[in-house]
Amino acid sequence: EPEVTQTPSHQVTQMGQEVILRCVPISNHLYFYWYRQILGQKVEFLVSFYNNEISEKSEIFDDQFSVERPDGSNFTLKIRSTKLEDSAMYFCASHRGYEQYFGPGTRLTVT
Amino acid sequence: DQQVKQNSPSLSVQEGRISILNCDYTNSMFDYFLWYKKYPAEGPTFLISISSIKDKNEDGRFTVFLNKSAKHLSLHIVPSQPGDSAVYFCAATRRGGSEKLVFGKGMKLTVNP
Repeated sequence: EPEVTQTPSHQVTQMGQEVILRCVPISNHLYFYWYRQILGQKVEFLVSFYNNEISEKSEIFDDQFSVERPDGSNFTLKIRSTKLEDSAMYFCASHRGYEQYFGPGTRLTVT
Repeated sequence: DQQVKQNSPSLSVQEGRISILNCDYTNSMFDYFLWYKKYPAEGPTFLISISSIKDKNEDGRFTVFLNKSAKHLSLHIVPSQPGDSAVYFCAATRRGGSEKLVFGKGMKLTVNP
């Protein structure tokens, strides 16, 4: 069964560094998302992406964040200058109908 | 701003019994509701969904009930199995826009053998 994949599974970075989180959505899906979950809190929406552009972003998704679908298969989330509070699990999701399918997540630790 | 609420953080049931997980929402614009199951260190896994035009949807051991007037939905698992032990998230969306999911805080279900 097709699934969403994410790399790396764990990323440790120093405050102020740039990170790129990678996702490969399910191939025939049209809508792509990033969510995050800070430890012990709920899953929060960051950004949605459709037809090669952002369709909606949350207030968390400030100028330090960007998304890209560089080659028709990968979907990336870049954080330009990481902060301690960016430490979280980041989940990529995709869908074609209404049920979103999530990847296993990348645990980002900012020290 | 908690648009989706799961007020009970945990539930413990005996194997074979029914598990009932509850969820309330405040935004009347939501028209599609989903339940996800999550194990530690994994992503949420889609379980079952329901459109606002229905009041019940069933898939095997899982049934979701929707009460629009009360803005309340529930997930019933019958019979519960130890493998059902996980955190369950209720989520809601409004179709036609970005269709972002708004999640509740989750409920930890423990099914005891």
